[in-house]
Amino acid sequence: DTAVSQTPKYLVTQMGNDKSIKCEQNLGHDTMYWYKQDSKKFLKIMFSYNNKELIINETVPNRFSPKSPDKAHLNLHINSLELGDSAVYFCASSQGAGRFSEQYFGPGTRLTVT
Amino acid sequence: GESVGLHLPTLSVQEGDNSIINCAYSNSASDYFIWYKQESGKGPQFIIDIRSNMDKRQGQRVTVLLNKTVKHLSLQIAATQPGDSAVYFCAEILSGGYQKVTFGTGTKLQVIP
Repeated sequence: DTAVSQTPKYLVTQMGNDKSIKCEQNLGHDTMYWYKQDSKKFLKIMFSYNNKELIINETVPNRFSPKSPDKAHLNLHINSLELGDSAVYFCASSQGAGRFSEQYFGPGTRLTVT
Repeated sequence: GESVGLHLPTLSVQEGDNSIINCAYSNSASDYFIWYKQESGKGPQFIIDIRSNMDKRQGQRVTVLLNKTVKHLSLQIAATQPGDSAVYFCAEILSGGYQKVTFGTGTKLQVIP
């Protein structure tokens, strides 16, 4: 029944490691997003894919690489993790690019880098 | 109760009172604005939006006011309930060839039973 799911829900890792967060939506949407929310609850968009094509790519370190194997999945791979990467990462989806009023958000993945 | 944005990130109101949460946005060219509610441990949830050519929009128990002159947005919640306790934040969206969404700083609403 879950519309947008993320795995894992919690991720604790050491600096310098490489990790991935997975996102899947079962809504049939064609657009997916990744957001980062810091400890002060400030939310910032990172990427957006429409029909597997990158359409939003905000200023994000090259260590972050999104991958969309199909329209239902958007994974986030992070290389050489740094302390500042600690945050909650949210995936979202919508039908149509930039339909921010109609987005469904996932439950978030809390990443802690030690 | 009324918040004053960055200077009062937490707003406490009595159950049944009205709440007003404020947001200042930065880009006068933004096309529309969204208010989100985020409960603890969950993702943001859309509450209401308003286009830049409007100054007021009402939903169920919520009203959003837009003042483009001072680039200010407010969310009014009528008869606040314990289930309204959450973090609320606004977002401004600039449409066009490259969509740009910018989120405001959140305000935590605490409803006192």
